[in-house]
Amino acid sequence: GAVVSQHPSRVICKSGTSVKIECRSLDFQATTMFWYRQFPKQSLMLMATSNEGSKATYEQGVEKDKFLINHASLTLSTLTVTSAHPEDSSFYICSAAGTGGEKLFFGSGTQLSVL
Amino acid sequence: SQQGEEDPQALSIQEGENATMNCSYKTSINNLQWYRQNSGRGLVHLILIRSNEREKHSGRLRVTLDTSKKSSSLLITASRAADTASYFCATGLLYGNKLVFGAGTILRVKS
Repeated sequence: GAVVSQHPSRVICKSGTSVKIECRSLDFQATTMFWYRQFPKQSLMLMATSNEGSKATYEQGVEKDKFLINHASLTLSTLTVTSAHPEDSSFYICSAAGTGGEKLFFGSGTQLSVL
Repeated sequence: SQQGEEDPQALSIQEGENATMNCSYKTSINNLQWYRQNSGRGLVHLILIRSNEREKHSGRLRVTLDTSKKSSSLLITASRAADTASYFCATGLLYGNKLVFGAGTILRVKS
């Protein structure tokens, strides 16, 4: 199956700093990638849809200036959490749509802890 | 917002038993998918059933879909300890390829 690589797997940062998370499709081209946030023992909440070469589409309630998404190529999307605060601490997961676009392939997630 | 709910929220069974998880959703869908998540990891796609299908099998997995009741079930037969994970249903909407995830069921298989 298709492989999506997400880095870093874990990051600890100080409040006020910015953190960049990368999501790469390794063996396929992903015109669309999705970014999710997950709190412990809860479901995935879609944050935004990232389209290659265009602006991301953010879900209601997600601050686009805080969660910057860049999808500059068909294999890479990045999520930057700007001026991180402790309440941004969470598990962030990216996914990419394969050929046909129905099934999603997920990265292994990034655990962000903001001190 | 989340599409629907899953029940049970948690399920604990003995190895060899069958596990059944249910999912309900609210809007019309194109397809419904089940994913598995091991603790602290990403999700793995298990099976996809289209809105015009009623049942689908894949190995030890059996999925049913009832669009009139807006519900689906996932049956794992002859469970193994390695099946311990969280299971999520996700609905593919009629337009676009966005998926909306249910709340998930935490399955624990005891050996």
